[in-house]
Amino acid sequence: AQTVTQSQPEMSVQEAETVTLSCTYDTSESDYYLFWYKQPPSRQMILVIRQEAYKQQNATENRFSVNFQKAAKSFSLKISDSQLGDAAMYFCAYRTGNQFYFGTGTSLTVIP
Amino acid sequence: EAQVTQNPRYLITVTGKKLTVTCSQNMNHEYMSWYRQDPGLGLRQIYYSMNVEVTDKGDVPEGYKVSRKEKRNFPLILESPSPNQTSLYFCASSLFGGGGLTYNEQFFGPGTRLTVL
Repeated sequence: AQTVTQSQPEMSVQEAETVTLSCTYDTSESDYYLFWYKQPPSRQMILVIRQEAYKQQNATENRFSVNFQKAAKSFSLKISDSQLGDAAMYFCAYRTGNQFYFGTGTSLTVIP
Repeated sequence: EAQVTQNPRYLITVTGKKLTVTCSQNMNHEYMSWYRQDPGLGLRQIYYSMNVEVTDKGDVPEGYKVSRKEKRNFPLILESPSPNQTSLYFCASSLFGGGGLTYNEQFFGPGTRLTVL
């Protein structure tokens, strides 16, 4: 069975600082995608960043970047220059074929 | 505006009373999916559909039914709801499913908060 593990239920960061959220996954597949989703208090699911497993280069989207370690099955999210609007629940997700698997989430607090 | 809509957004019902949560997308997406979100468990996939009349089970299909008679609609049916189905439900769609090297972003609806008493 595919599993996605987020070992940090809660994290906090000072505004303008950098924070890293951890995610590991378990799979025997070779083709898959990895995602980080943000869920603010509105409950809307917002795609933050994605990574294709076949790409060695780590994905980057403005202040958000990932550290993808395929052999270690690790997919961490780094948020630079944290802003108050980054406060949310963050979910790591894995997709293979037609099925998606989500982690249990990390609640991020940004301290002014 | 490209979007996934769900109705109702909030629903309180009683055990055993059949209900349907509708989901509709206007992006001509082939792939649609239902998830439930519970505290401490994240999102779990209930059912998904590759196209009209093609559906398959996700991780937690027990107690749910779906149908895909039209490409744009993918209703979630609870024929005999129970309190353990109290949850936040999300519908999502993407251009098409499948693996390989083609990326398809998944668009989520706003969620339906269901309470079963």
